[in-house]
Amino acid sequence: DIQMTQSPSSLSASVGDRVTITCRASQSISSYLNWYQQKPGKAPKLLIYAASSLQIGVPSRFSGSGSGTDFTLTISSLQPEDFATYFCQQGYGTPLTFGPGTKVDIK
Amino acid sequence: QLQLQESGPRLMKPSETLSLTCTVSGGSVSSSTYYWGWIRQPPGKGLEWIGSIYYSGSPYYNPSLKSRVTISVDTSKNQFSLKLSSVAAADTAVYYCARQYSGSFLFDYWGQGTLVTVSS
Repeated sequence: DIQMTQSPSSLSASVGDRVTITCRASQSISSYLNWYQQKPGKAPKLLIYAASSLQIGVPSRFSGSGSGTDFTLTISSLQPEDFATYFCQQGYGTPLTFGPGTKVDIK
Repeated sequence: QLQLQESGPRLMKPSETLSLTCTVSGGSVSSSTYYWGWIRQPPGKGLEWIGSIYYSGSPYYNPSLKSRVTISVDTSKNQFSLKLSSVAAADTAVYYCARQYSGSFLFDYWGQGTLVTVSS
């Protein structure tokens, strides 16, 4: 199985901050990396697919980069509605696997 | 607008078989572009992919659950289903159904999720 790790596991930030979350795969997954946002009691929402493509309707302050084993999700200016947990997911091989999540909360 | 809705029992006893159905509206499970998948999330924990199925009925499963899982599709009802046998407390989780784009294995539409609790 391809193992996914994320760092940090949690972070505290203020509105307007630039936030970067890192995801690492245990082997190369090319660009088959997706990012999701999950708010409490809600289903995950797709933000970024194929490492850097913005899903329709997602604000442009979200961006993704990386390839191979190392990937980042960046929120350029954190907004109140962005406080949530973020998961990465590899789509390179089965079983499909997710990272453990990064919780972003208010400083 | 595509919508997915999970349905099924919320409380189960150990050793029973969990059975959930996902009803799709605003789209068709017969689309050749998508798979249809199940993902679960134990309370306060991360996401685990259970398995996915194509409209033609070709399922594939997470090896960690494969011996207990069956996923099927009913195109006439625009539904797909999950069965998980011999449940235990460790199977307590929110179960989500989702649409999976076949090209890159991403999940772009999700149901709201249903909490299934296994307790004696």
